[in-house]
Amino acid sequence: ETGVTQSPTHLIKTRGQQVTLRCSSQSGHNTVSWYQQALGQGPQFIFQYYREEENGRGNFPPRFSGLQFPNYSSELNVNALELDDSALYLCASSTGPRGGSPLHFGNGTRLTVT
Amino acid sequence: TQLLEQSPQFLSIQEGENLTVYCNSSSVFSSLQWYRQEPGEGPVLLVTVVTGGEVKKLKRLTFQFGDARKDSSLHITAAQTGDTGLYLCAQGVPLNYGGSQGNLIFGKGTKLSVKP
Repeated sequence: ETGVTQSPTHLIKTRGQQVTLRCSSQSGHNTVSWYQQALGQGPQFIFQYYREEENGRGNFPPRFSGLQFPNYSSELNVNALELDDSALYLCASSTGPRGGSPLHFGNGTRLTVT
Repeated sequence: TQLLEQSPQFLSIQEGENLTVYCNSSSVFSSLQWYRQEPGEGPVLLVTVVTGGEVKKLKRLTFQFGDARKDSSLHITAAQTGDTGLYLCAQGVPLNYGGSQGNLIFGKGTKLSVKP
C-alpha cells in the first residue's frame, strides 16, 4: 500500500511568485485535505477536496487555490507569495469526509519565501 | 472557532521518566484525536477518544478524555528517546458534505524531548 506522497520536499520562492505543490493520495482514498503548518504551530486547515470538488475551506485568502484530479491526486496553488506563506504544507488523504479511515498525512513540502 | 490549548509547550526529560501533557478547550469536544509528529514528517494518528471519561492505552501511552469532554491528557510511562516529537491534539469540524473527517482544528502542540 502506497502512502501519501508530496512533491517537492523543499522549495524556495521569491515574494510575489506563484507556486504549485503536489500530492498523491494513499491508494483507495478519494478525499484530500491540505494544511499549513508554520514554525512552532499546529497545522491549520486550508481546504478539502472530495470527488474533485472543494468540500470546505479554512480561513485562507483566495490566492490559495486547489484542484483534485480523477485519480484523486491534488494540487495546492498559491499566488502572489508573501513572506508569511513560509511554512510546511501538509497533505492528508482519507476514504471520505464522513469518517471511515483516519487521515493519513504526507511528510509535507517545506516552502521558504524570501 | 474552538481553540485547543496544549500544555506544556515544551518538555525536556530524561529517559525512564514519566510525563503528562494536556489538551483543554472552553467548549465540549465531540471527539478528540491525538497525533505525534516527528521532525521532517507529517503527523501520525495515535488515538481517537469519543466518550467522556474514556481511557485508552497504547503500550506505554495512556490517553484520558475528561468526563465533561472539555479536556484530555496523554501520559507516557518510562519515556524512551523514540518518544521524542511534537504531540498534537485535534478536533474535527463539519464541512459542506457533512462529516468532520479532514477539517481538523489542531492545538499548537507539546514539543517533547527525551534525552538518553
